[in-house]
Amino acid sequence: NAGVMQNPRHLVRRRGQEARLRCSPMKGHSHVYWYRQLPEEGLKFMVYLQKENIIDESGMPKERFSAEFPKEGPSILRIQQVVRGDSAAYFCASSPGTSNYEQYFGPGTRLTVT
Amino acid sequence: GQQVMQIPQYQHVQEGEDFTTYCNSSTTLSNIQWYKQRPGGHPVFLIQLVKSGEVKKQKRLTFQFGEAKKNSSLHITATQTTDVGTYFCAGKRGSQGNLIFGKGTKLSVKP
Repeated sequence: NAGVMQNPRHLVRRRGQEARLRCSPMKGHSHVYWYRQLPEEGLKFMVYLQKENIIDESGMPKERFSAEFPKEGPSILRIQQVVRGDSAAYFCASSPGTSNYEQYFGPGTRLTVT
Repeated sequence: GQQVMQIPQYQHVQEGEDFTTYCNSSTTLSNIQWYKQRPGGHPVFLIQLVKSGEVKKQKRLTFQFGEAKKNSSLHITATQTTDVGTYFCAGKRGSQGNLIFGKGTKLSVKP
């Protein structure tokens, strides 16, 4: 059973470009969470999605950031017009049910904005 | 909003010494989870505690959930170099909503 897959593992974008981060949950998992982690810091919750639904986006900036988890295909975290402050590691996690269950994390995407 | 505080932020120990990290919430939690993140890696689930006063052990690791379900601790006995990493607690209030992660305790072990 493959784990949570994220790609790309490393992404370099110039200021103003768009970044698209992909996450394929573990097989059988229908709940996906996105987190941002700055160096030497904790995990900051961004958004919680189920298939075709956003359950909680309270941690996601209202501008430039969006997330989706379509019926088919991976979950996508999209950052438009990136700025240097967006540079961070973005982790996706999945679980088989609500957040009463443990979360399985992917390897992360390291985004660098130049 | 709900916060989960974790102390200490850093801990340096000699191999063989014990280590404890503490997690405190401003509100009652329905459950608490612990994760470990190795340097350069991703968080890995360790355990979940649900019941008031619950204690669980995994080899040299002992996890406790406070009676009031507002605090938790992770204790490692006789640390080894393989214990190096950052330990995060994550709590949830109620049956809905997302996990709130603490900022983690970074453990370094000197051989």
